[in-house]
Amino acid sequence: DIQLTQSPSFLSASVGDRVTITCRASQGISNYLAWYQQNPGKAPKLLIYAASSLQTGVPSRFSGSASGTEFTLTISSLQPEDFATYYCLQLNSFPWTFGQGTKVEIK
Amino acid sequence: EVQLVESGGGLVQPGGSLRLSCAASGFTFSSYEMSWVRQAPGKGLEWVSYISNSGSAIFYADSVKGRFTISRDNAKESLYLHMSRLRAEDTAVYYCARVDSSSWYMQPDSWGQGSLVTVSS
Repeated sequence: DIQLTQSPSFLSASVGDRVTITCRASQGISNYLAWYQQNPGKAPKLLIYAASSLQTGVPSRFSGSASGTEFTLTISSLQPEDFATYYCLQLNSFPWTFGQGTKVEIK
Repeated sequence: EVQLVESGGGLVQPGGSLRLSCAASGFTFSSYEMSWVRQAPGKGLEWVSYISNSGSAIFYADSVKGRFTISRDNAKESLYLHMSRLRAEDTAVYYCARVDSSSWYMQPDSWGQGSLVTVSS
């Protein structure tokens, strides 16, 4: 099975900060990776698919990139509504696997 | 508007069974793959199962293989998850999700609100 190592698990940031979250795959997954945002008690929301494609309706401050087996989600200028938990998901092969999650909290 | 509404969750004893349903609307259900994802209380997301649009291709997480069965009824626009031999560690909110494969890539793009399953005596 493909393992995803997501880091950091927790980060504290301020409104306006640039934030980067990383997901490293245990083997090559091409660009079969998606990023999700989840608020407490709510369903996940798709932000990025195919490693770097922005889902329709998602603000452009969110971006994704890939380099080998390392994938990055960047929020260019953190907004109050962005304080949430973020997950990566690999869809290269079954079983699909999620990263452990990154909780972004207000500093 | 895409809508996915789960139902069927509740309290069940260890070793028991339960069937979750997911009613879909707002899109052509028979054209989309579907998936179940769960989240234990205070924990991260865990993928559970996938079914192709025709039902011909099915995959499971190792943690549920042999105990859970995914199925769909395209005429009723519904997705199901039959869970048997339930364990305490199956306690979670279960989400159904539509899988978009309109591009070269596929990913869950719309989710239901979730249905809580609690396995306890």
